[in-house]
Amino acid sequence: KNEVEQSPQNLTAQEGEFITINCSYSVGISALHWLQQHPGGGIVSLFMLSSGKKKHGRLIATINIQEKHSSLHITASHPRDSAVYICAVPHSEYGNKLVFGAGTILRVKS
Amino acid sequence: GAVVSQHPSRVICKSGTSVKIECRSLDFQATTMFWYRQFPKQSLMLMATSNEGSKATYEQGVEKDKFLINHASLTLSTLTVTSAHPEDSSFYICSASSPRHYNEQFFGPGTRLTVL
Repeated sequence: KNEVEQSPQNLTAQEGEFITINCSYSVGISALHWLQQHPGGGIVSLFMLSSGKKKHGRLIATINIQEKHSSLHITASHPRDSAVYICAVPHSEYGNKLVFGAGTILRVKS
Repeated sequence: GAVVSQHPSRVICKSGTSVKIECRSLDFQATTMFWYRQFPKQSLMLMATSNEGSKATYEQGVEKDKFLINHASLTLSTLTVTSAHPEDSSFYICSASSPRHYNEQFFGPGTRLTVL
């Protein structure tokens, strides 16, 4: 079992739809990262959160520490949101190195 | 704030040559920088962790003589791929962190290396 699991692996949505990507982890963590990687390859750090909820524009990230689960929501999705979304957690047993989920490939069609 | 740049963004070289990739934190002092490698359709793989002024810590299976890392200042780390071979072709990404930013990692845009 992977220590960080994301679902779904692939997601296709119509422009304007509300999107949810989920991340479950099995290790104790201090914080969880949501990253975005566009087809060109560059990675953008979207959120780092350790509790509750954070919002940035149309993006919302939530985390439930007790249930070891986080969600990334995109409201009013747009084709430019098409990217790979990656969940990552620092693993306390590995010196807080990031352990990455496999990523969710999102395609938003116009 | 918290911007990380990489240079070059893309490099093509001949087999046997060495290639240097720079990673800079533009608006903060990065106490720690990380170097990752990513193969197509795969997740990032941590190669090494470097702290300013000290030797890098390499992950198991990563050849330190092959991938030379220098972190000479709080804003610059370099990765040199020595005697590059086609199997070294990959996407290399750095990230930087500092206690000032709660050790969140900020990623560079990546460098795509192609070895002919």
